[in-house]
Amino acid sequence: QSVLTQPPSTSGTPGQRVSISCSGSSSNIGGNTVNWYQQLPGTTPKLLIYNNNQRPSGVPDRFSGSKSGTSASLAISGLQSEDEADYYCAAWDDSLSGHVVFGGGTKVTVL
Amino acid sequence: QVQLVQSGAEMKKPGSSVKVSCKTSGDILSSFAISWVRQAPGQGLEWVGGIIPVYGTTKFAEKFQGRVTITADESTSTVFMELSSLRSEDTAVYFCARDFWNGSDLSGLLDFWGQGTLVTVSS
Repeated sequence: QSVLTQPPSTSGTPGQRVSISCSGSSSNIGGNTVNWYQQLPGTTPKLLIYNNNQRPSGVPDRFSGSKSGTSASLAISGLQSEDEADYYCAAWDDSLSGHVVFGGGTKVTVL
Repeated sequence: QVQLVQSGAEMKKPGSSVKVSCKTSGDILSSFAISWVRQAPGQGLEWVGGIIPVYGTTKFAEKFQGRVTITADESTSTVFMELSSLRSEDTAVYFCARDFWNGSDLSGLLDFWGQGTLVTVSS
């Protein structure tokens, strides 16, 4: 059972907009920034969004992140076939002397 | 160019220990922290722990407390993660990643990752 809650899966057709939610608590998302990782099949995770809504160099602007209270969200607009991957949210958690917590991951399928 | 290169796959017996290395490039250890994350087959990502080499401080996920040790050798730019009392549930790919620590603690902002090391625990 992951500390951060994500839907296990979502899907969309090419060009559609999909959104992934990430729900936490005051000790993690509520008090710290959220990062999102993309893991394409068979590959290493890649930082996709950091500090709630910042994109590392090279990440297309159709990926966007937001945070409100104890929840965060990742949106993919103009969905493409190469976006089919697992997506994880993560945040620092201040409880128990501090640790990193991940969401369980969301599988995005492009129909 | 930022690189994290991990040691090769390991096959271990239950009850034994494994030590995985993560050789970093450049000056990473003087400015950044290193976190370890694992992924069991078909499962999600799980944070194991991390180290801030300039302070020598470590943090671990509660479930690994007492079983994991993370050390850094700045002379070789290498970080080590040792997990003891292995059980079958520890079978996973273990990743090291550069942690963009916030000046006082680890952050979980992992911007560069090693290639992963498969640890298989089986009798």
